Amino acid sequence: EDQVTQSPEALRLQEGESSSLNCSYTVSGLRGLFWYRQDPGKGPEFLFTLYSAGEEKEKERLKATLTKKESFLHITAPKPEDSATYLCAVLSGAAGNKLTFGGGTRVLVKP
Amino acid sequence: DGGITQSPKYLFRKEGQNVTLSCEQNLNHDAMYWYRQDPGQGLRLIYYSQIVNDFQKGDIAEGYSVSREKKESFPLTVTSAQKNPTAFYLCASQSRGGSAGETQYFGPGTRLLVL
Repeated sequence: EDQVTQSPEALRLQEGESSSLNCSYTVSGLRGLFWYRQDPGKGPEFLFTLYSAGEEKEKERLKATLTKKESFLHITAPKPEDSATYLCAVLSGAAGNKLTFGGGTRVLVKP
Repeated sequence: DGGITQSPKYLFRKEGQNVTLSCEQNLNHDAMYWYRQDPGQGLRLIYYSQIVNDFQKGDIAEGYSVSREKKESFPLTVTSAQKNPTAFYLCASQSRGGSAGETQYFGPGTRLLVL
């Protein structure tokens, strides 16, 4: 059974204070690892897909990296508008087309 | 303007009542999904459909039903058998390869509350 664990559960940052979120996973045949951003009361917004170890993707202040056991979402010099819950999910060969989600990391960036 | 729409935004259910949540997509995606999200928790899969007229149970299907008569539409019915329906319901559709890979895209959600 696929498992995804995100840490920490919550993160409080000062504006400009860079940090990283962790997504650890155990799957049988990784087909893709996905990062989403979710604002309160809204649907998740797609950020990145990573397919193989060593892959990196960037978007503005966010950078996602992937190893064989975990993924990191690095937030560089965050701004208050980066406050959100960040969700990680995996798609595996064993699970067909079903995503397995982690519990999310709530990020609060204070000015 | 391509995307996924869900309606209503808020829905109130009375005891013993069945209610239906709407999900429509114009992304030409074959696969569609329903998830439930409870406060402080991750998303849990209720039902999914890979193709029209076919659907499969997810991890928490009891008390729910779906239909897939059109590619664009995947309505979810919360039946009276679901004893704890209060949650945020999210619909998603998935691309199949191409530049978007196998990414799932989400609608804005429906919040269901019990009166």
